[in-house]
Amino acid sequence: RKEVEQDPGPFNVPEGATVAFNCTYSNSASQSFFWYRQDCRKEPKLLMSVYSSGNEDGRFTAQLNRASQYISLLIRDSKLSDSATYLCVVKYAGGTSYGKLTFGQGTILTVHP
Amino acid sequence: EPEVTQTPSHQVTQMGQEVILRCVPISNHLYFYWYRQILGQKVEFLVSFYNNEISEKSEIFDDQFSVERPDGSNFTLKIRSTKLEDSAMYFCASSEFYGGANYGYTFGSGTRLTVV
Repeated sequence: RKEVEQDPGPFNVPEGATVAFNCTYSNSASQSFFWYRQDCRKEPKLLMSVYSSGNEDGRFTAQLNRASQYISLLIRDSKLSDSATYLCVVKYAGGTSYGKLTFGQGTILTVHP
Repeated sequence: EPEVTQTPSHQVTQMGQEVILRCVPISNHLYFYWYRQILGQKVEFLVSFYNNEISEKSEIFDDQFSVERPDGSNFTLKIRSTKLEDSAMYFCASSEFYGGANYGYTFGSGTRLTVV
């Protein structure tokens, strides 16, 4: 089983649509969870951290279910500028680990007019 | 907003040559990382560095790789004898906090390494 697995996509949606991405992780001792955004041939940029209680940042809502080892990202009212690859990222720190990030393979989102 | 700076942005090298990729982390950050991304694949962890020593490394980070913080600002990744499969985008990252904190990292814009 992959450490972090995401919906492969790609997702092609019209402007204004709501789109949801899912992610599962295999290490139950994982401690921190993030969604990053990566534009073509650019660096990953932190979109938002994901908290157990769920959290929202404008049009973006992230959810975490530790029991199911499942993370989600919901984007409402999609904009053309939301077109990117969305990376599910998990961090484990413990033992000899100093908190390396483990990335999913990413889900490509294209928002069209 | 503070940035992680990487140079060069693109490096082409011949197989078997040594390359050094350079990074200037954010000034008050204490934890430094290298990641790589082969074209079309996921971002992979290479190495983490804290208090002037490697704190963790992946299976990819073999004897051909080394890291150094030669002064108070630079953080370098050296590949001693490059192979074709080392062609990738290399990202440097830094973090202010210990790994257990719920904070992401700031990534540099990357160095695209092409081995020919």
